[in-house]
Amino acid sequence: DFVMTQSPDSLAVSLGERATINCKSSQTVLYSSNNKNYLAWYQHKAGQPPKLLISWASTRESGVPDRFSGSGSGTDFTLTISSLQAEDVAVYYCQQYYNAPQTFGQGTKVEIK
Amino acid sequence: QVTLKESGPVLVKPTETLTLTCTVSGFSLSNGRMGVTWVRQPPGKALEWLAHIFSNDVKSYSTSLRSRLTISRDTSKSQVVLTMTNLDPMDTATYYCARTPFGQYGDNWFGYYCDYWGQGILVTVSS
Repeated sequence: DFVMTQSPDSLAVSLGERATINCKSSQTVLYSSNNKNYLAWYQHKAGQPPKLLISWASTRESGVPDRFSGSGSGTDFTLTISSLQAEDVAVYYCQQYYNAPQTFGQGTKVEIK
Repeated sequence: QVTLKESGPVLVKPTETLTLTCTVSGFSLSNGRMGVTWVRQPPGKALEWLAHIFSNDVKSYSTSLRSRLTISRDTSKSQVVLTMTNLDPMDTATYYCARTPFGQYGDNWFGYYCDYWGQGILVTVSS
């Protein structure tokens, strides 16, 4: 199975500052035939279901604020929140969908400093 | 409007079998490029991918839980059913179902991300 490792496990960022979350896959999730990275990012707030933020490593879902951005390719990916807002407090997960069984990272908890 | 709703028992005894149902609306389980995924989250722990099924009946399972899981669909009822056998207290978790687009490239079928989620159901395994 693909192992997804996120770093850090948690981070505290001041309001308006940048938050950066990393995700590393044990194998490439870049499908060479179409040059697409099969990686998604989710936001999970307490008491709610997870919310899809980004698919294909960098495609923001409709309605997701543009302060959220995804980057990376192959095995190394980053989710950036450019200016942290209070409503962004949550746990963030990466997920690979290149190969079944799909797998999630262990999650990164984002808090306000 | 796409919706998914999980239903099933909230308390199950160890060694029993759990049957969860995901009732969907707003998309088809029999045609089109949509499927359903089950994901769980034990209290205080990370999301865990369990299984998915596509509208062409292609299925995949978690490696560690494969021997205990069965996923199926009833297109007439717009439902996807997940059964898990031989429950243990470690299976206590919130179980979610989610819509999963899928596609084919060459000979390969790919389930994609989970774009719509149910609210989840907390299942407790205890005697």
